[in-house]
Amino acid sequence: AQSVTQPDIHITVSEGASLELRCNYSYGATPYLFWYVQSPGQGLQLLLKYFSGDTLVQGIKGFEAEFKRSQSSFNLRKPSVHWSDAAEYFCAVGAKGSQGNLIFGKGTKLSVKP
Amino acid sequence: EADIYQTPRYLVIGTGKKITLECSQTMGHDKMYWYQQDPGMELHLIHYSYGVNSTEKGDLSSESTVSRIRTEHFPLTLESARPSHTSQYLCASKGTYLTDTQYFGPGTRLTVL
Repeated sequence: AQSVTQPDIHITVSEGASLELRCNYSYGATPYLFWYVQSPGQGLQLLLKYFSGDTLVQGIKGFEAEFKRSQSSFNLRKPSVHWSDAAEYFCAVGAKGSQGNLIFGKGTKLSVKP
Repeated sequence: EADIYQTPRYLVIGTGKKITLECSQTMGHDKMYWYQQDPGMELHLIHYSYGVNSTEKGDLSSESTVSRIRTEHFPLTLESARPSHTSQYLCASKGTYLTDTQYFGPGTRLTVL
């Protein structure tokens, strides 16, 4: 069965520091992968997505993610974190044969220190 | 900016009441979804629809029901609310193609006393 693991429940970084959020997936074929961000009391906003092609994907707000098939990973990165990046981040995989249904990880909460 | 709306945003209600959570989108999307999200937990798909008069149950069993009479509207109903239904409910929609983005509404925070 497809699954998504986000190993870090909560991460705290200093403003201006670099960020990497980890995501590992279990999937039997080429996955479709997504990163969403959720601010408190809000819905989810898509940061970036990977379907095929270049394994380094650029997204909004200065985020990027790299698909590594050998490691079954799709880690999210940002070179310099801003206080406004504090939020919860969800990794998701497109479910097999589901016409686009998504399976989500449990999320990583990001706190930013001034 | 995604045009998908949910009402109410917050609802506190007593046990046994019937409630309907509204979700509408103006993007003409065929596919619509309902997720349940508890704090610190992943989103669980409870219902989805691939078009008018099409509804399916998701991965997480739910006592709620849905209907899809119009493309833009996908309401979720609980006939008799219980405290175990307390959660956040997120609605989403998506276009026809596999590569289309799934857009989310702001959510409804439901508390059943």
